[in-house]
Amino acid sequence: SQQGEEDPQALSIQEGENATMNCSYKTSINNLQWYRQNSGRGLVHLILIRSNEREKHSGRLRVTLDTSKKSSSLLITASRAADTASYFCATGDNTDKLIFGTGTRLQVFP
Amino acid sequence: GAGVSQSPSNKVTEKGKDVELRCDPISGHTALYWYRQSLGQGLEFLIYFQGNSAPDKSGLPSDRFSAERTGGSVSTLTIQRTQQEDSAVYLCASSLESGYDYGYTFGSGTRLTVV
Repeated sequence: SQQGEEDPQALSIQEGENATMNCSYKTSINNLQWYRQNSGRGLVHLILIRSNEREKHSGRLRVTLDTSKKSSSLLITASRAADTASYFCATGDNTDKLIFGTGTRLQVFP
Repeated sequence: GAGVSQSPSNKVTEKGKDVELRCDPISGHTALYWYRQSLGQGLEFLIYFQGNSAPDKSGLPSDRFSAERTGGSVSTLTIQRTQQEDSAVYLCASSLESGYDYGYTFGSGTRLTVV
């Protein structure tokens, strides 16, 4: 079963614009993670935000977490064509594994 | 090795044949996970190992699927009597410990096509 669901499913923007992706989840969590996937192969871990944190930054990435709304957002600032990929949120569901959302496909046009 | 290694990277097999997929995790990572991803879909959890034990194999779709891990290192996922619906990318990941406090490092996956 899917714990997280991202929206939008797909997003197209121009280079230089900001991209915002949202993730909603169902159960209580210890943390939430974001991953990136190029070309349908291996995922790359981007950032982990703990349930007691509200915002976290890493380079051009900004992640927010609202546990009262069971939602998170990933903001990529000043996007580049190389940011084109699928982005997934992942949460633990009180078992020792991550459950991944359905993903947002981001297309950044030069 | 420096990363998670999966082999083969691509596998085409005839319906009804058995296949073995291999995952070599990062040295020292005690937890190993198998997921699969159908075209354009999210990741579906299959099974995970802590050491050589599999505490959660709830995601295995049928008894045609099995997995083992030996020496706390390499894992193999075996699919017997493959069906066309088994076609997917099979992804392996490892982490320092089980649980969700650690980020996962993924391999590049095995793309399985059953014809």
